[in-house]
Amino acid sequence: DQQVKQNSPSLSVQEGRISILNCDYTNSMFDYFLWYKKYPAEGPTFLISISSIKDKNEDGRFTVFLNKSAKHLSLHIVPSQPGDSAVYFCAASDGADGLTFGKGTHLIIQP
Amino acid sequence: GAGVSQSPRYKVAKRGQDVALRCDPISGHVSLFWYQQALGQGPEFLTYFQNEAQLDKSGLPSDRFFAERPEGSVSTLKIQRTQQEDSAVYLCASSLDSSGGIGYTFGSGTRLTVV
Repeated sequence: DQQVKQNSPSLSVQEGRISILNCDYTNSMFDYFLWYKKYPAEGPTFLISISSIKDKNEDGRFTVFLNKSAKHLSLHIVPSQPGDSAVYFCAASDGADGLTFGKGTHLIIQP
Repeated sequence: GAGVSQSPRYKVAKRGQDVALRCDPISGHVSLFWYQQALGQGPEFLTYFQNEAQLDKSGLPSDRFFAERPEGSVSTLKIQRTQQEDSAVYLCASSLDSSGGIGYTFGSGTRLTVV
């Protein structure tokens, strides 16, 4: 049973517009959430994170929102750029070793 | 080195063959993780080392999988009697401390294909 779900396998967004990637989780013990970005043939790279005591974290063009009651988080990218085209993984930690990842969303930025 | 290095990048193994996958973490990184990423899936946790101690191996799918980090640096993931379901990308990650998540640096992975 998947504890971290990314229900959109792919998302296409026009350059300059906002990209919104969504993630849902089921384990209420998760207290830290992360987004990773992955290009083909490379390992995932850390993008941004949020602790469960916050509801928003911003870093440049990237903002992560957390809704604990809904067990939902989202990553906003504004404005979207061609280099943002990649697979984005949502991941969660419950303080134990290792992260639980979603299946990923392939973001395609169209010129 | 500057990043986490994994070798080989690609490995094709015949069913039943043993394989060994190597991970060179960033120098000085205490924590080392192995993940398995099947096609179309996210990475799944396999095992975790803090220095040379294997603190968590709960994600290893069977006793055919074995990992070691004898000197607290380089790690090897060994898969015995490979099966087709072992085909995946095996990712190694290291971090400076045991804080988890933050500071993870992943390698580019080893793509294992069992035929």
